[in-house]
Amino acid sequence: DGGITQSPKYLFRKEGQNVTLSCEQNLNHDAMYWYRQDPGQGLRLIYYSQIVNDFQKGDIAEGYSVSREKKESFPLTVTSAQKNPTAFYLCASSRSWGRDYNEQFFGPGTRLTVL
Amino acid sequence: GEDVEQSLFLSVREGDSSVINCTYTDSSSTYLYWYKQEPGAGLQLLTYIFSNMDMKQDQRLTVLLNKKDKHLSLRIADTQTGDSAIYFCAESIGGSQGNLIFGKGTKLSVKP
Repeated sequence: DGGITQSPKYLFRKEGQNVTLSCEQNLNHDAMYWYRQDPGQGLRLIYYSQIVNDFQKGDIAEGYSVSREKKESFPLTVTSAQKNPTAFYLCASSRSWGRDYNEQFFGPGTRLTVL
Repeated sequence: GEDVEQSLFLSVREGDSSVINCTYTDSSSTYLYWYKQEPGAGLQLLTYIFSNMDMKQDQRLTVLLNKKDKHLSLRIADTQTGDSAIYFCAESIGGSQGNLIFGKGTKLSVKP
């Protein structure tokens, strides 16, 4: 079955530690995205990648980093510089980029809690 | 910048119709989407509408688009308890904000 997987589903981190969230897709999609979701805030874009080996900052990139070395994979690292990292993180992918019909497919999410 | 607005809460009784409203700002949006999110899960596409359409119907779902007022609505007929979720409206824009802009989501509660 084609889809997006995120791991782990729940993640606990001590303050001052970096942590990496995994996102893998087997849909052969070019574009991938990371969103952060807080209660009542909707989805806020952290980083996106239109194509392999390229990525761009979204609205709230500070304290986060990404890589896109493979088409299938777009890992997100939450660094110790992120002041309030406790949130629900969603990864998504889409066939391409732009104004054409371009449904974003979402993973199941990772809930990160900083202790 | 582009923005998508939705009311945050809606409560209905089982069997009634639900109407979730959304306003958007980018008049050149080509596609508008409705996503559903169940508790603790990712988003799933419910339906979408192309900007040259006024209405789209898909089983219990009806989408109405008023392009002049930049207003989008989702009507769910015969609402069931399983429809309780958060519903997100999104517009396609491309460019520097990522290719979809999402509203904050409307939490639909269905009372038996």
